[in-house]
Amino acid sequence: SAVISQKPSRDICQRGTSLTIQCQVDSQVTMMFWYRQQPGQSLTLIATANQGSEATYESGFVIDKFPISRPNLTFSTLTVSNMSPEDSSIYLCSVVEGAEQYFGPGTRLTVT
Amino acid sequence: AQSVTQPDIHITVSEGASLELRCNYSYGATPYLFWYVQSPGQGLQLLLKYFSGDTLVQGIKGFEAEFKRSQSSFNLRKPSVHWSDAAEYFCAVSGGSYIPTFGRGTSLIVHP
Repeated sequence: SAVISQKPSRDICQRGTSLTIQCQVDSQVTMMFWYRQQPGQSLTLIATANQGSEATYESGFVIDKFPISRPNLTFSTLTVSNMSPEDSSIYLCSVVEGAEQYFGPGTRLTVT
Repeated sequence: AQSVTQPDIHITVSEGASLELRCNYSYGATPYLFWYVQSPGQGLQLLLKYFSGDTLVQGIKGFEAEFKRSQSSFNLRKPSVHWSDAAEYFCAVSGGSYIPTFGRGTSLIVHP
């Protein structure tokens, strides 16, 4: 099974700033996913990141707000840009391996 | 489009009692079904999954779930709950893309 790490594990940020979240996987994977989990809510898919191509964003999410990089098959970053308090959430990275989805521990973001 | 309904937002049980968490799904073909657990401050851990075959699926930590096609359900059960089972439980459904849609989650509270 894939082992996923994320940095940072948590952060408190000022309104208007940006934060880049890193996701590292211990094996090569084709697709990586970024989810948002707002307080008390379920997981919402932000985008799918394939290596060597532009990320595919779900409805309600745009590249200018959540730019994603996927430089190789084991790493991805998600940037939360121009943050507002509404962006306070847990952001999770995940991968699919053998038809199962594995999740990182998440990055808990608080925007003040 | 696929969807998942978890009708119970909170469930409270006494330690040692049995547990059943409900999950109903909507999907046009044979679904892939999952139950995940999220402990406070942790990422998501896969408890069990159903892809095909035996409709009673055994998972980790003593959990099991039964796929009932006629009822579009995939309820999670445990015969005797431990205090450490207190967590958020998410049911999810996916199809050929393997990208799951999550329910809103059920919060399990365990009384001593």
